[in-house]
Amino acid sequence: SQTIHQWPATLVQPVGSPLSLECTVEGTSNPNLYWYRQAAGRGLQLLFYSVGIGQISSEVPQNLSASRPQDRQFILSSKKLLLSDSGFYLCAWRGQSQETQYFGPGTRLLVL
Amino acid sequence: AQSVAQPEDQVNVAEGNPLTVKCTYSVSGNPYLFWYVQYPNRGLQFLLKYITGDNLVKGSYGFEAEFNKSQTSFHLKKPSALVSDSALYFCAVRVHSGTYKYIFGTGTRLKVLA
Repeated sequence: SQTIHQWPATLVQPVGSPLSLECTVEGTSNPNLYWYRQAAGRGLQLLFYSVGIGQISSEVPQNLSASRPQDRQFILSSKKLLLSDSGFYLCAWRGQSQETQYFGPGTRLLVL
Repeated sequence: AQSVAQPEDQVNVAEGNPLTVKCTYSVSGNPYLFWYVQYPNRGLQFLLKYITGDNLVKGSYGFEAEFNKSQTSFHLKKPSALVSDSALYFCAVRVHSGTYKYIFGTGTRLKVLA
């Protein structure tokens, strides 16, 4: 069966510091991968998606970037964090022939 | 523009009573619709989906949803609510724009009172 992991679970970082959040999927090949941010426990904002290794599409211009160095690995990064980057970051995957998107456990980021 | 609306920020229901969480959508073509549930500090869990076929779809934990094409709605229902159903519920629709993406509603907080 497929599983999706995210780490770290919680992160507290100072403003201006770099960021790296990791997401990995097991039990599937060539998944579509997504990064979302959820602010204030409410709506989800799609940040990036990837249909394959090295292929990244950005949904909104911002302080963040994403990379997909391996088929089942998706990384969210920032060179310098802003206070507004605080939030709950969710990674999700979808199989190539599937309709449903499945989510990871999330990373809570607090920028101070 | 394609969108999903969840008109209620919060729904309160007594334990044992039926519950309904509302969702309406606006998309071009045939919609693929989903419901997810989120517990505090957790990721979203898939509950059920409508792709085609029977308008009443059944999902996890006793939840079901009714697709109504004329009203462009996909309301989530459960015949008898449990306190443990208290959570944040999201409706979503899949759209195609370059690849398949998902538009989520703003979420409805369900509170089941003992």
